[in-house]
Amino acid sequence: SQQGEEDPQALSIQEGENATMNCSYKTSINNLQWYRQNSGRGLVHLILIRSNEREKHSGRLRVTLDTSKKSSSLLITASRAADTASYFCATDASGTYKYIFGTGTRLKVLA
Amino acid sequence: NAGVMQNPRHLVRRRGQEARLRCSPMKGHSHVYWYRQLPEEGLKFMVYLQKENIIDESGMPKERFSAEFPKEGPSILRIQQVVRGDSAAYFCASSLEGTGLSGNTIYFGEGSWLTVV
Repeated sequence: SQQGEEDPQALSIQEGENATMNCSYKTSINNLQWYRQNSGRGLVHLILIRSNEREKHSGRLRVTLDTSKKSSSLLITASRAADTASYFCATDASGTYKYIFGTGTRLKVLA
Repeated sequence: NAGVMQNPRHLVRRRGQEARLRCSPMKGHSHVYWYRQLPEEGLKFMVYLQKENIIDESGMPKERFSAEFPKEGPSILRIQQVVRGDSAAYFCASSLEGTGLSGNTIYFGEGSWLTVV
């Protein structure tokens, strides 16, 4: 079953703009992770946020988590062409040990 | 994630042949996960293994697919009698401990792209 759903499915922005992607999930979780995937490549881990955390930062990345709404957002500030990729959220439902992935947001940053 | 090694990167098989995909987890990791990704889709969980044990194979098709993680050597995902629908990217991931409250990150390999012709 689909645990995470990203929104929007596709996003196209100009270099320098901010990109916001959202993830909604269905059941309570322990952790939520965001990954980036370049075309034809594996997944690169970006940020892990625990269910008792509300916000985390890593460089130009900012992740928020709202467990009451079962949603998370990933903000990329001052985007670059190199940020062009698909971004996935993954959640581990409480009591399990496997991460379930959403269908991803395809981000295109135009130079 | 460069520490998770998968091979082969690309594999072409004819219908009915067998495909064997290998995964060496990051050093020190004893938990391995296999995911499948169809074009333009997210990753679908297949199986979770610890050394010599299958913990959860709920995402793996009941027939033709099997996985192992022996005491020595890499984890193997085996697909027998492949069909065109098996064409996909297969990703292996590993973690230091199982995920859960500890919030262990899982690290992915570069994937094995299987094409069935």
